[in-house]
Amino acid sequence: GALVYQYPRRTICKSGTSMRMECQAVGFQATSVAWYRQSPQKTFELIALSTVNSAIKYEQNFTQEKFPISHPNLSFSSMTVLNAYLEDRGLYLCGASTDGVQDTQYFGPGTRLLVL
Amino acid sequence: QQQVRQSSQSLTVWEGETAILNCSYENSAFDYFPWYQQFPGEGPALLIAIRSVSDKKEDGRFTIFFNKREKNLSLHIKDSQPGDSATYFCAADDTNAYKVIFGKGTHLHVLP
Repeated sequence: GALVYQYPRRTICKSGTSMRMECQAVGFQATSVAWYRQSPQKTFELIALSTVNSAIKYEQNFTQEKFPISHPNLSFSSMTVLNAYLEDRGLYLCGASTDGVQDTQYFGPGTRLLVL
Repeated sequence: QQQVRQSSQSLTVWEGETAILNCSYENSAFDYFPWYQQFPGEGPALLIAIRSVSDKKEDGRFTIFFNKREKNLSLHIKDSQPGDSATYFCAADDTNAYKVIFGKGTHLHVLP
């Protein structure tokens, strides 16, 4: 079956420091990987969409300078939260999908980021 | 502007009843509508989905009713169980965009 792993599951960082999170797809080829943030009061905010062989598309209010993403192959993606502050706390979710089976997006369990 | 709206933040039903969760959307380009179920501390899991060419999709106790003209849809959970208590997210997808737009979720409580 299709599975998506994320690690770490939970992390705490000091304000102003950076934190890297990883996403691994197992059982299918993650042609596209979308990174979301689920804040305590909000629904899922799409940060960026990464599709193999295409440029990474960032949503409004999110930038590569703040959330650099790597998607080096069809099973792995990582995202870093640079200079994390209180407003960056939340659950970061990776949603992966594959060409040919479009629309079906499999989510990992998320990385919960706490900023002190 | 919120593109996908879920009418209730919270819904409580008794065990055995049918829970009805409503959703509406703005963008006519959306053509795929997944519903996700999320338990505390976990990521969302795909529960059931419908394409805009259909008006109904059934999978066990879960049924989606879709009205393209009105741009709304609903998730019906028959014979609700306490284990169904979770947050349910309605989502919409423009299949050319590979991204999913989520509603704010409806927290379902099923009382025994």
